[in-house]
Amino acid sequence: GNSVTQMEGPVTLSEEAFLTINCTYTATGYPSLFWYVQYPGEGLQLLLKATKADDKGSNKGFEATYRKETTSFHLEKGSVQVSDSAVYFCALSDRGGGADGLTFGKGTHLIIQP
Amino acid sequence: ETGVTQTPRHLVMGMTNKKSLKCEQHLGHNAMYWYKQSAKKPLELMFVYNFKEQTENNSVPSRFSPECPNSSHLFLHLHTLQPEDSALYLCASSRAGTGPSGANVLTFGAGSRLTVL
Repeated sequence: GNSVTQMEGPVTLSEEAFLTINCTYTATGYPSLFWYVQYPGEGLQLLLKATKADDKGSNKGFEATYRKETTSFHLEKGSVQVSDSAVYFCALSDRGGGADGLTFGKGTHLIIQP
Repeated sequence: ETGVTQTPRHLVMGMTNKKSLKCEQHLGHNAMYWYKQSAKKPLELMFVYNFKEQTENNSVPSRFSPECPNSSHLFLHLHTLQPEDSALYLCASSRAGTGPSGANVLTFGAGSRLTVL
């Protein structure tokens, strides 16, 4: 079956530090890959996505590249801010555009200190 | 109102109570989902509805009963729950069926925090 593995936190960084959150996956076929973010007291919000190998998703300074050879989709940001403190979820979908409940990782709690 | 709205935001119930969670989406989506979010565990997909038809039930106990009267509304009826059912229940929706090149992007509500005493 499908699975997503991501580093568990909490990950604590200082403001303006470089961020990497690792994510690897196991899936049949060619899944689409996502990063979602959850701020305290809120639901999950889509941060970025990639639908095929070598695609790069980007949004709000965050980037992730779909690496089929390493089955990875690591999240990066060059300079984090306190407002980036949240829980980040890596996820995959393997049914193209069909109604497919995504498979999520456990989430990585990110804490940015001023 | 736009997006996905869940009510109530917080619910406390005893093990013998019957209550319901409500989800409403104003995005014109055709698929709706229930997820359970517990501490230290991945999000657990519970149910999927596509055009009001249930397409997935991930071995969820019968004390959870979903209802989808139309593509905009989704309910989760709760009865005789256990303390381990305490969690954040998230509803999501998507525009499924966009073709092989489309990614199924889910839009989530803020969740209903359930505590079972």
